[in-house]
Amino acid sequence: AQKITQTQPGMFVQEKEAVTLDCTYDTSDQSYGLFWYKQPSSGEMIFLIYQGSYDEQNATEGRYSLNFQKARKSANLVISASQLGDSAMYFCAMILPNSNSGYALNFGKGTSLLVTP
Amino acid sequence: DAGVTQSPTHLIKTRGQQVTLRCSPISGHKSVSWYQQVLGQGPQFIFQYYEKEERGRGNFPDRFSARQFPNYSSELNVNALLLGDSALYLCASSLGAVRQGDTFGSGTRLTVV
Repeated sequence: AQKITQTQPGMFVQEKEAVTLDCTYDTSDQSYGLFWYKQPSSGEMIFLIYQGSYDEQNATEGRYSLNFQKARKSANLVISASQLGDSAMYFCAMILPNSNSGYALNFGKGTSLLVTP
Repeated sequence: DAGVTQSPTHLIKTRGQQVTLRCSPISGHKSVSWYQQVLGQGPQFIFQYYEKEERGRGNFPDRFSARQFPNYSSELNVNALLLGDSALYLCASSLGAVRQGDTFGSGTRLTVV
């Protein structure tokens, strides 16, 4: 069974500093995709970044980058130059395709990030 | 453009009652998925619909059902509510391009008393 593990329940970072949020995954599939979503207090999940298992380079989207280490089965999110608005819950997720041409996202438990002035 | 809209935003129901939650996807998005998020946990997949057909079902009892309409909007129904059904119910829509991620609504907060 596929599993996502986020071991940091809460993290603090000072404004303008970089922070790394950890994510490890377990799967026997060779083809898979990994996501990071941000959930502010308003509730909606905001897509941040995607990494495919066959992508040769680590994904980057603005201040977000994904440190993908396939052999270690880790997909850590790096946020550079943290801003107060980055304070939120962050979820790592893996896509689970099914035999019906559909898919589901399997989420970890999340990490709460607080950015301080 | 309007994002994914969900209604109602908050709901209080009594044990044993039935509830219907509604979701309107982003215009042009044909896939709608439903997730349940209990406090302190990540979202759990309930259903996915594409072009009005069920494409996936998570590990939820038969009390949970859903459907998708010709305009791609969707409803999630939960019968015989239990206290444990109290959660944030999130709807997500997508074009089907995995790399772009799903777009989520702000959810319906259901409280069962």
